[in-house]
Amino acid sequence: AQSVSQHNHHVILSEAASLELGCNYSYGGTVNLFWYVQYPGQHLQLLLKYFSGDPLVKGIKGFEAEFIKSKFSFNLRKPSVQWSDTAEYFCAVNRWGSQGNLIFGKGTKLSVKP
Amino acid sequence: EAQVTQNPRYLITVTGKKLTVTCSQNMNHEYMSWYRQDPGLGLRQIYYSMNVEVTDKGDVPEGYKVSRKEKRNFPLILESPSPNQTSLYFCASSLGRDSLYEQYFGPGTRLTVT
Repeated sequence: AQSVSQHNHHVILSEAASLELGCNYSYGGTVNLFWYVQYPGQHLQLLLKYFSGDPLVKGIKGFEAEFIKSKFSFNLRKPSVQWSDTAEYFCAVNRWGSQGNLIFGKGTKLSVKP
Repeated sequence: EAQVTQNPRYLITVTGKKLTVTCSQNMNHEYMSWYRQDPGLGLRQIYYSMNVEVTDKGDVPEGYKVSRKEKRNFPLILESPSPNQTSLYFCASSLGRDSLYEQYFGPGTRLTVT
């Protein structure tokens, strides 16, 4: 079965530290890839998405992600985190032809210390 | 304002008492979906709908029903709720399913079944 793995359950960083959250998926065909963020007590918001083209995609709030097809990975990065980035981050994958079934990873909780 | 709304936001009920969680979107989106979010498991898709009168099972459909009689509404029905359905539920919608346009999420419904 198709799955999405996020390597870290909880990441704790100090402000200004660099961030990289890992995401790997198991499906070998063509996929669409997403990162969503959920701030405490709020609903999910889209950070960025990859459908095709340049494998380095930039999203909102200074986040970016790189699609590496050979590694089945879509890691999320930010050069310098802020306290306001404290949230839970979800990677999600949609397989072409899957009729819209979006598979989420289990999430990574990011805590940024001021 | 473009949005997805859910009602109720919080619900405490007892085992076996039928309930409905409503979901409505004002963006004329074709695609709608229900997810449940559980700690350590991320989001899992329950049901989705690609258009009026077209619904299909997601990854965890057992114990749930849906209907799509109107484009804007996609209610989630629990005919006989059980404690293992205690969860946080999110409704989402998107413009279409072919390339999975961005999904917009509702604010969530926290359900407790005792």
